[in-house]
Amino acid sequence: KQEVTQIPAALSVPEGENLVLNCSFTDSAIYNLQWFRQDPGKGLTSLLLIQSSQREQTSGRLNASLDKSSGRSTLYIAASQPGDSATYLCAVPAQGGSEKLVFGKGMKLTVNP
Amino acid sequence: NAGVTQTPKFQVLKTGQSMTLQCAQDMNHEYMSWYRQDPGMGLRLIHYSVGAGITDQGEVPNGYNVSRSTTEDFPLRLLSAAPSQTSVYFCASSDSVYQPQHFGDGTRLSIL
Repeated sequence: KQEVTQIPAALSVPEGENLVLNCSFTDSAIYNLQWFRQDPGKGLTSLLLIQSSQREQTSGRLNASLDKSSGRSTLYIAASQPGDSATYLCAVPAQGGSEKLVFGKGMKLTVNP
Repeated sequence: NAGVTQTPKFQVLKTGQSMTLQCAQDMNHEYMSWYRQDPGMGLRLIHYSVGAGITDQGEVPNGYNVSRSTTEDFPLRLLSAAPSQTSVYFCASSDSVYQPQHFGDGTRLSIL
């Protein structure tokens, strides 16, 4: 059974720091991995989707990497800003290219001005 | 472009009542799904659909029914509400498993 872990559950940092958010998964036979952002009281917004054939995806100050063999992904946030404060979740297919997604429990990020 | 629209945004029910949570998307996506989000449990898949007329169960399907008569709509029915179904419900859609999922803003449901 696919399991996704995000540690730590919460992180509080001063503005301007470069951050690394971690995601680990147990079944490495996945087609892709997604990182999402969730603001309080809102739905999830897809930030980056990495296909299994890729090692990295970049969008602005965000960079996500995928290492299938070790069952890990990292989301790198450069020069963090208070507006980056949110909960960040990663998700992978339950198996292979399954339509069923398994989510981590998320990491709540607070960036202090 | 509205994306994924969920109604209602908030609802309070009494135990034993039934209701339907509505989900509509205007992106012509084939794949739609329902999740519930609970503190400490994360998001869990309830039901999903890969196209009109095709539905399947997710991780926590008991107490919920779905149908998919059109590409645009994917309603979730609570047959007889129980306090354990108090949660935030999210609907999502995507073009395929290789594309990002788009989420609605959720329905916050309380069952007394």
